[in-house]
Amino acid sequence: GDSVTQMEGPVTLSEEAFLTINCTYTATGYPSLFWYVQYPGEGLQLLLKATKADDKGSNKGFEATYRKETTSFHLEKGSVQVSDSAVYFCALRNSGYSTLTFGKGTMLLVSP
Amino acid sequence: DARVTQTPRDKVTEMGQEVTMRCQPILGHNTVFWYRQTMKQGLELLAYFRNRAPLDDSGMPKDRFSAEMPDATLATLKIQPSEPRDSAVYFCASGLVLGTSGRAYNEQFFGPGTRLTVL
Repeated sequence: GDSVTQMEGPVTLSEEAFLTINCTYTATGYPSLFWYVQYPGEGLQLLLKATKADDKGSNKGFEATYRKETTSFHLEKGSVQVSDSAVYFCALRNSGYSTLTFGKGTMLLVSP
Repeated sequence: DARVTQTPRDKVTEMGQEVTMRCQPILGHNTVFWYRQTMKQGLELLAYFRNRAPLDDSGMPKDRFSAEMPDATLATLKIQPSEPRDSAVYFCASGLVLGTSGRAYNEQFFGPGTRLTVL
């Protein structure tokens, strides 16, 4: 079946540091890939997505590139802020389906 | 600003009691999802509906959980009887899916969740 593997957290960074959160996937077919963010006490919000190989999703300074050859969708940001502290979820949706398969989430803690 | 709403936000109950969680999807969305989030298992899909009909509830313990959509503006998730291991945050999400192939049209929008504690 489909699965998503994320690096375990927490990831602890100082403000303005570079961020990478690794995500790899296993799926039959050609999935769409997503990053969701969950701020404390809230539901998940879509951060960015990519629907085919080599697509780059970007939003709020975050980027991720769909790499089919390495089955990866790593999340990056050049300079994190304290307000980026949250839990980040990588997810996939296989073609023809409406359900998402989520990774376990990676907590990011950014200190001033 | 269209949002998914969930009630209650927090629920503390004793083992054996019935718990009902409610969700109001975004108006016009035809697909509703129920998820459970725990530290140990992460996010698990419990069930989902399209046009109020259940499509898949294989993630849900059938003996004690039930999910329904009495109308297009209300989805419910019920646990009877509740057990301590049901303690988790339960999320509802809605989305719009078009076409007979079920090809998703837009993202899933999540509600704020119901934090359930069963003592």
